[in-house]
Amino acid sequence: DAGVTQSPTHLIKTRGQHVTLRCSPISGHKSVSWYQQVLGQGPQFIFQYYEKEERGRGNFPDRFSARQFPNYSSELNVNALLLGDSALYLCASSFRGTSGPRSSYNEQFFGPGTRLTVL
Amino acid sequence: AQKVTQAQTEISVVEKEDVTLDCVYETRDTTYYLFWYKQPPSGELVFLIRRNSFDEQNEISGRYSWNFQKSTSSFNFTITASQVVDSAVYFCALSEAGNAGNMLTFGGGTRLMVKP
Repeated sequence: DAGVTQSPTHLIKTRGQHVTLRCSPISGHKSVSWYQQVLGQGPQFIFQYYEKEERGRGNFPDRFSARQFPNYSSELNVNALLLGDSALYLCASSFRGTSGPRSSYNEQFFGPGTRLTVL
Repeated sequence: AQKVTQAQTEISVVEKEDVTLDCVYETRDTTYYLFWYKQPPSGELVFLIRRNSFDEQNEISGRYSWNFQKSTSSFNFTITASQVVDSAVYFCALSEAGNAGNMLTFGGGTRLMVKP
């Protein structure tokens, strides 16, 4: 079975442009989360979508938006790109939207990421 | 609020040495999950282990071992007899079960360099 896929692999944009990143979850998974990893730092949570609804949002400006489609794939959109948006964008998929009580962690699986460079 | 601290930003060892990567976490939740991930230069996050807050048993997997201590809010990772292939950035992460979503909070990472 295919794992989480992301496209494109690499992307170069200039300041002020708009970018769309795409993620396809593992078949059967209904939740997609997005993370931003700036060089030299740990990944930071941006969004989570479950059943096409936003279930969580990190501390990111409104320039960042996302959506989930009926087939559970997702897009992350970033408007008015800044140099500081240069990062590896990671997508993670899971079956459910949340983890439950003991021994029922909702396992997340990460994709290979999209490396965005803003010049 | 949840927080993960990896105080060691970079560690350099010679092959076959043992090395311990430290992780300290903060959470108000009573049920939470702790993780270690490996990130090689390719960038993909490789899952290594998950521990539940209600299970403090230490775990060993080959050359890897993990020491979970709730009393000190630590979840340290030891590599025994390190190898060059262990060179990577290692992240500790935390997920609270009480989160509305499934958010992972990562530490800043520790870059491990194993020299031959």
